[in-house]
Amino acid sequence: SQQGEEDPQALSIQEGENATMNCSYKTSINNLQWYRQNSGRGLVHLILIRSNEREKHSGRLRVTLDTSKKSSSLLITASRAADTASYFCAPRSNDYKLSFGAGTTVTVRA
Amino acid sequence: EADIYQTPRYLVIGTGKKITLECSQTMGHDKMYWYQQDPGMELHLIHYSYGVNSTEKGDLSSESTVSRIRTEHFPLTLESARPSHTSQYLCASSPGTGAMNTEAFFGQGTRLTVV
Repeated sequence: SQQGEEDPQALSIQEGENATMNCSYKTSINNLQWYRQNSGRGLVHLILIRSNEREKHSGRLRVTLDTSKKSSSLLITASRAADTASYFCAPRSNDYKLSFGAGTTVTVRA
Repeated sequence: EADIYQTPRYLVIGTGKKITLECSQTMGHDKMYWYQQDPGMELHLIHYSYGVNSTEKGDLSSESTVSRIRTEHFPLTLESARPSHTSQYLCASSPGTGAMNTEAFFGQGTRLTVV
């Protein structure tokens, strides 16, 4: 297993703006998952993109994957106060481990 | 809604005490995980299991131990708690064989304070 490295560490945006965060990883993957963590709580799965997919949408979320650059991005469109949270990526390889990096902390200002 | 439960939610305990943090899931998932996370910081994988009677150490060395006697139960034990063990502990589970690509479900966490 491996852990992703999210960038930036922190992001502050106005309500209604878009938020973009990136994830880089080191070795080949089966899929990459994005999770959200609201303050002090457990993580919630947002979206999974497989290694043979380049883009995936779910509601206001858009995820891209570039396996040649070993990177992924998560875009949240038309952000809301409820999107304030930490976001983590999890690159998944052929093993059972599930590791996370430090995450991107997003603050949406009213 | 995820059916994975952690108890207690909060625990304040004295140094030297033995504690067990409980984690149970009713989804029949083979894989289970324990993470340690200080406020606003990275999640560190400390233990994981891919089935009954299997346990592995994670990325971060921990003085805690785990057991997996039943599929649904993955308790974490600290034999002698110390202030350095003060942290939040998160448990997660995900489906097993043939479903390595699926999502993980997390409990609400146990916030442990050792005084």
